[in-house]
Amino acid sequence: EVQLVESGGGLVQPGGSLRLSCAASGFIFSDYWMTWVRQAPGKGLEWVANINQDGSEKYYVDSVKGRFTVSRDNAKNSLYLQMNSLRAEDTAVYYCLGGGHYDYWGQGTLVTVSS
Amino acid sequence: QAEVTQESSLTVSPGGTVTLTCGCSTGAVTSGHWPYWFQQKPGQAPMTLIYDASDKHSWTPARFSGFLLGGKAVLTLSSAHPEDEAEYYCLLFCGGAWVFGGGTKLAVL
Repeated sequence: EVQLVESGGGLVQPGGSLRLSCAASGFIFSDYWMTWVRQAPGKGLEWVANINQDGSEKYYVDSVKGRFTVSRDNAKNSLYLQMNSLRAEDTAVYYCLGGGHYDYWGQGTLVTVSS
Repeated sequence: QAEVTQESSLTVSPGGTVTLTCGCSTGAVTSGHWPYWFQQKPGQAPMTLIYDASDKHSWTPARFSGFLLGGKAVLTLSSAHPEDEAEYYCLLFCGGAWVFGGGTKLAVL
């Protein structure tokens, strides 16, 4: 059974940092691009970032460029999102996605940026 | 950043057929935009229904179909069931970036 389990969310002050993790199982993690998508409370989905199989290619939505960094550890079947200089508008549930065609979604982890 | 457009809300009767559309602000949607469709029910993570405009996952109910028509990506739901009431999002590689549409809230009434 495929599982993607996000962790690391929580309450952080504006300007602070958080590191999200996504633990993958049930599929060959190193074979696939991985993606982060977020959803602000009561709002739609927003594509955030993705990373290729060996971590050599990374892409970001404009609003997080220079603040967020996506990475992965294929030995640990894990995906990460380092989030710095957080803003109130980064408040959202963050989902990790994997598989050849955005096949699999985690259940998400809530990040709240507030003073 | 380019925009992806969807209907904000639609209603379908049980057993009826409804069509949802997805457009890209830079021009006609083609296979090169790699259209995706996702379903999200309240309190749940989204689920991928359609990829590459028309391909289905093993878990996609047969009553859902995706295709390209008139310069847009289209999701058709035939013989709607009450459990199909949900938010539907499309995703396109639009303007050189992955962009979600704003979502279509589908009511089955």
